[in-house]
Amino acid sequence: SQQGEEDPQALSIQEGENATMNCSYKTSINNLQWYRQNSGRGLVHLILIRSNEREKHSGRLRVTLDTSKKSSSLLITASRAADTASYFCATEGNSGNTPLVFGKGTRLSVIA
Amino acid sequence: DGGITQSPKYLFRKEGQNVTLSCEQNLNHDAMYWYRQDPGQGLRLIYYSQIVNDFQKGDIAEGYSVSREKKESFPLTVTSAQKNPTAFYLCASRPGTGTSGLFFGEGSRLTVL
Repeated sequence: SQQGEEDPQALSIQEGENATMNCSYKTSINNLQWYRQNSGRGLVHLILIRSNEREKHSGRLRVTLDTSKKSSSLLITASRAADTASYFCATEGNSGNTPLVFGKGTRLSVIA
Repeated sequence: DGGITQSPKYLFRKEGQNVTLSCEQNLNHDAMYWYRQDPGQGLRLIYYSQIVNDFQKGDIAEGYSVSREKKESFPLTVTSAQKNPTAFYLCASRPGTGTSGLFFGEGSRLTVL
C-alpha cells in the first residue's frame, strides 16, 4: 500500500530558484523521510523528521511536517543542475521498526 | 568501504525461468528489504527481514521468495509464478534498532524476454 503521495508529479525550474515538493499521507506515523534517486540508481536518504518535530534543516534542504494535516514539504534552496533527480517521501508507522512506505515521487528538473 | 551491493546490475530472463538477485551488505545491519520499482512509480515492498532466519511478506510477495541464512545476505528469487517480473529491484538495509533511514544498493534491472 502506498501511503505517501507527492505533489507535483514533475517540477521544472531554473538554476538558482527554490524547489518545493509536498507529500501527503493517510495514517499516523512515527517519522517521515525524504529520499533522492538519480535516474537508474539506488535511493539516497536525505533527511528524517520525527512526528514530534515541525521543521528540520540540512544544508540547502528544509523539511516541514504538519501532523494535523498529515503533510510534509521538502524545500531545496538555490537549486543546481545537479539537484535534478526524483524525490520520494517515505513514512514509518507507529508500530516500531515497521517497513517504510514510499510515495510515487516528484521528478525535479533543474535547468542550467 | 561499508555499503550494500546488488548483482547483477542487468539481467535478462526468458519466460518460465527463475532468477536470483543477490544483495550483500557489510554495514552490520540487522534489517534488510526488497523493493520493486516500475517506471514512473514509487517503491513497493516485496519482502523484508529483521533478523537472520526470519522474514516477512510485503505488499507484493506473490511470485517471489527470499532467504536470510546470513546477516550479510538477503537474496531474492523471482519465480516463474511472477506474472510481470520486468522491473527495477532495489535492496536496502538499516540497523535493527532505533530510528534511521534506509541504505540502498544500486539496483538490479530485470527484463523478461
